[in-house]
Amino acid sequence: KAGVTQTPRYLIKTRGQQVTLSCSPISGHRSVSWYQQTPGQGLQFLFEYFSETQRNKGNFPGRFSGRQFSNSRSEMNVSTLELGDSALYLCASSFRGDYNEQFFGPGTRLTVL
Amino acid sequence: AQKVTQAQTEISVVEKEDVTLDCVYETRDTTYYLFWYKQPPSGELVFLIRRNSFDEQNEISGRYSWNFQKSTSSFNFTITASQVVDSAVYFCALSEAEVGGTSYGKLTFGQGTILTVHP
Repeated sequence: KAGVTQTPRYLIKTRGQQVTLSCSPISGHRSVSWYQQTPGQGLQFLFEYFSETQRNKGNFPGRFSGRQFSNSRSEMNVSTLELGDSALYLCASSFRGDYNEQFFGPGTRLTVL
Repeated sequence: AQKVTQAQTEISVVEKEDVTLDCVYETRDTTYYLFWYKQPPSGELVFLIRRNSFDEQNEISGRYSWNFQKSTSSFNFTITASQVVDSAVYFCALSEAEVGGTSYGKLTFGQGTILTVHP
């Protein structure tokens, strides 16, 4: 069974731009969670989608948004990029999202200049 | 509020030594799950184990073992006879019920412990 895939793997953007990251979960998994990983703040939960609905959201500004499609693939968008948005963005999928183990993709490394 | 503390920022051992990674958590719920993940240099988090709050049995999987003690809110991870391939960042994580009785896909992670195993 194929794992979680994320595209692109690396991105370089400038301040003020926007970016869209994509995540394809493991086949059969309906929950997709997104995390931001930085050296200073560690791993922080962004949001979770299940059956195209956002069920949970972390403490991030409204510039961070996401969506999920009917095939469970998910995208996250960051608008008006700031230098502090430079991070590794990790996507994780699980069968239902409630207490299930989450399987992570390789991440997208975003650098904001 | 839920919180996970991994007090050891970095640990360095020589191959074949045993090493224990500490994890202490805080939660207001009686139903919760605890996880350990490994993050090798490639960056992808690898799932190692999940335990629920009602099961305090220790678990052993090969060279890995976990000690869960609710009385001290700890979920420690031991690697026996460490190997160079064990070098990675290890994260402990907590999943507890949000409003509505489920975690809704949220894991709260500790800051991670960098383990370096020298040959």
